[in-house]
Amino acid sequence: DSGVTQTPKHLITATGQRVTLRCSPRSGDLSVYWYQQSLDQGLQFLIQYYNGEERAKGNILERFSAQQFPDLHSELNLSSLELGDSALYFCASSPGGGLKQETQYFGPGTRLLVL
Amino acid sequence: EDQVTQSPEALRLQEGESSSLNCSYTVSGLRGLFWYRQDPGKGPEFLFTLYSAGEEKEKERLKATLTKKESFLHITAPKPEDSATYLCAVQGGGGSNYKLTFGKGTLLTVNP
Repeated sequence: DSGVTQTPKHLITATGQRVTLRCSPRSGDLSVYWYQQSLDQGLQFLIQYYNGEERAKGNILERFSAQQFPDLHSELNLSSLELGDSALYFCASSPGGGLKQETQYFGPGTRLLVL
Repeated sequence: EDQVTQSPEALRLQEGESSSLNCSYTVSGLRGLFWYRQDPGKGPEFLFTLYSAGEEKEKERLKATLTKKESFLHITAPKPEDSATYLCAVQGGGGSNYKLTFGKGTLLTVNP
């Protein structure tokens, strides 16, 4: 158990809909990261937050947005869903203290299926 | 742009048959190279961090090594429970972006 929690575990929805994925980081970690994993693309970085502020963006679609709340949990919002958005979505957290390396610990993921 | 290539894509071993997985990378200013293990439908499980050439780390039957261009994950006398996908990732660049760039992984199957 990494200490990172994600809900829900599974999500089935229809094209055009909007969903929210939730992540709680490990105790004491200030940085949260979101990744998407699909069969053909592997694990792709979406976005990073540090202590409530957006820190870096990766290949995140404009239909997707995220935020980190004062209690440090984070939500990833996916809207106008398309079939191709079906994937595993992982949240990871790290201390975020500006160390040379930041080991990221991953949650169990949310499996999204868009029908 | 950071890039990670893992080989082979899949590896099938007999129990006790040692082997190595390769991770080649290009990165601007390596902060760290990470190995993760991922079981089907689960989140990546952290194994090792390496950040300087020549560094080695061991954990049970696994040993990770690092050069300036690649990393190896050596598996000694593997057991069926070592079957999983092994992911390599690099953390590069400077500033406050700590994103990981992953390879596509090596699917390891260990037969009893």
